[in-house]
Amino acid sequence: EPEVTQTPSHQVTQMGQEVILRCVPISNHLYFYWYRQILGQKVEFLVSFYNNEISEKSEIFDDQFSVERPDGSNFTLKIRSTKLEDSAMYFCASSELEFAGDPSNYGYTFGSGTRLTVV
Amino acid sequence: ELKVEQNPLFLSMQEGKNYTIYCNYSTTSDRLYWYRQDPGKSLESLFVLLSNGAVKQEGRLMASLDTKARLSTLHITAAVHDLSATYFCAVGVQFYFGTGTSLTVIP
Repeated sequence: EPEVTQTPSHQVTQMGQEVILRCVPISNHLYFYWYRQILGQKVEFLVSFYNNEISEKSEIFDDQFSVERPDGSNFTLKIRSTKLEDSAMYFCASSELEFAGDPSNYGYTFGSGTRLTVV
Repeated sequence: ELKVEQNPLFLSMQEGKNYTIYCNYSTTSDRLYWYRQDPGKSLESLFVLLSNGAVKQEGRLMASLDTKARLSTLHITAAVHDLSATYFCAVGVQFYFGTGTSLTVIP
């Protein structure tokens, strides 16, 4: 079964450093997303990306965050200057063009996540 | 911003018992999802509900959607230990997630 792959699985970084989280979405998917989950809390939407541009973003996704699809396969989330409160699990997800294919497949496929710890 | 609330937040139940988790959301949406998350793991898709009155069942789990009441339920029948996990509902195209229900099934 196709998977969304995220690397690294764990990342420890010092406060103020830049981090790049990487994701390889499912190959025929066109919509890409980043979510974060602070330990023990709910999953929060960060940003959605389609056709090489951000389609929606949440209040969490401030100027410290950016996303990029540098080539045909990778989708990255960059945090420019990490803060302690950025420590969380970051999930990438992808989905097909809406309403295409199997109607039961309107759900997203999530990656296994990157646990980011800022110290 | 669409708000999604789940209750209960924590649920401890004995094996063999039945229980229902509720998901309420604040504004109209044409889709609702249920996900399962095991500790330290990613989100596993359980159900996608796309219309009012939709009901889907998989094993001991059954999900339903009432778009007029803005309510979805996840019913657990004859719980087994393997169902212990956190269950999230998510609403809308942006996937606004609920607060999650942490389920523990006790032998």
